[in-house]
Amino acid sequence: DVKVTQSSRYLVKRTGEKVFLECVQDMDHENMFWYRQDPGLGLRLIYFSYDVKMKEKGDIPEGYSVSREKKERFSLILESASTNQTSMYLCASSVQAKLFFGSGTQLSVL
Amino acid sequence: DQQVKQNSPSLSVQEGRISILNCDYTNSMFDYFLWYKKYPAEGPTFLISISSIKDKNEDGRFTVFLNKSAKHLSLHIVPSQPGDSAVYFCAASAGGGADGLTFGKGTHLIIQP
Repeated sequence: DVKVTQSSRYLVKRTGEKVFLECVQDMDHENMFWYRQDPGLGLRLIYFSYDVKMKEKGDIPEGYSVSREKKERFSLILESASTNQTSMYLCASSVQAKLFFGSGTQLSVL
Repeated sequence: DQQVKQNSPSLSVQEGRISILNCDYTNSMFDYFLWYKKYPAEGPTFLISISSIKDKNEDGRFTVFLNKSAKHLSLHIVPSQPGDSAVYFCAASAGGGADGLTFGKGTHLIIQP
């Protein structure tokens, strides 16, 4: 079974803090993704990566950056957290268009 | 500009009956469609998929139908069970999905006892 692990289930941060969300997959997938889920808005793509050190903007990249130094690890960075970034963050890896998601990180920015 | 639309935010169905969840899309380049199920505080899990070269795919209690001319797909669950209560997301991809999936906003399915 594919396993995608997100380092934290719940996080509470203050406005202006730098936030790191970590994700690790164990299936040697090349493609990895970060989505956020908000009620009534579905899942929206923030960033994705085809390979190590490669990154592409998704639909809502503003306020975020990513890092992929190793194939199995994809990090999402909030440079200066804001209250409108309170959300459920979902990491995924994929093979042949099928995404496998982690359990998600519920981030609250106060 | 939504490319994948799920127009019913919620749906209530009696246990044992058929649940039908609908999804429409606008991008004619989409060639692969998936349904995901999501429980609160968990990540979405893959349920069933269909390629654009097919019009039906079945897996146990779950069947997905694709009508390409209408740009419409539906997920049928029969019989519906209490554990089916969840949010269901329709998703689509073009050209192998390396750019990720485009998701609808989800439909919250509630199975009534």
